[in-house]
Amino acid sequence: DVKVTQSSRYLVKRTGEKVFLECVQDMDHENMFWYRQDPGLGLRLIYFSYDVKMKEKGDIPEGYSVSREKKERFSLILESASTNQTSMYLCASSPTSGGVLEQYFGPGTRLTVT
Amino acid sequence: GNSVTQMEGPVTLSEEAFLTINCTYTATGYPSLFWYVQYPGEGLQLLLKATKADDKGSNKGFEATYRKETTSFHLEKGSVQVSDSAVYFCALSDQHTGNQFYFGTGTSLTVIP
Repeated sequence: DVKVTQSSRYLVKRTGEKVFLECVQDMDHENMFWYRQDPGLGLRLIYFSYDVKMKEKGDIPEGYSVSREKKERFSLILESASTNQTSMYLCASSPTSGGVLEQYFGPGTRLTVT
Repeated sequence: GNSVTQMEGPVTLSEEAFLTINCTYTATGYPSLFWYVQYPGEGLQLLLKATKADDKGSNKGFEATYRKETTSFHLEKGSVQVSDSAVYFCALSDQHTGNQFYFGTGTSLTVIP
């Protein structure tokens, strides 16, 4: 089974702190994604990556950056956390080949910025 | 562009009732369609998928048929259980936009005994 793990289930940070959210997948997938999930808005794509050291902006990249130094790991960085970044953050991965490119999700990190 | 619209919730049903959650889509190419489920406190899990018109995806008693003529992919289950209480997301993936997914806003389902 594909496994996507996220470093924390719950996180509380103060405004202005630098925050790192880590995601690791164990299925050698090329593609990795970061979403935020908010009530009534569904999932919104923040950033994604097709390969090591590659990154592409999604729909809402402002206030975020990412890092992908190794194929299995994709980090989301909040340079200076703000209260409007309080949300559930979901990481996902998918293969590049092999039929329909289903995404596999981690359990999520619920981040609260106070 | 690509987008997914699904019925707003929340939906509350009694056990053994029939479930329909509507989903329609807009796509520039030939999308694959998905239903994901999110149980409380967990991430999203794939429930079922369909890759071309008239395909029917099915899993755990849930079904959805890819209708190109109506651009729809409605989720149905004949008899819901309490354990089906979750949030359901309709999504599409379009070959023209690579591996990006487009999700609906989610529909919360509560099944009461």
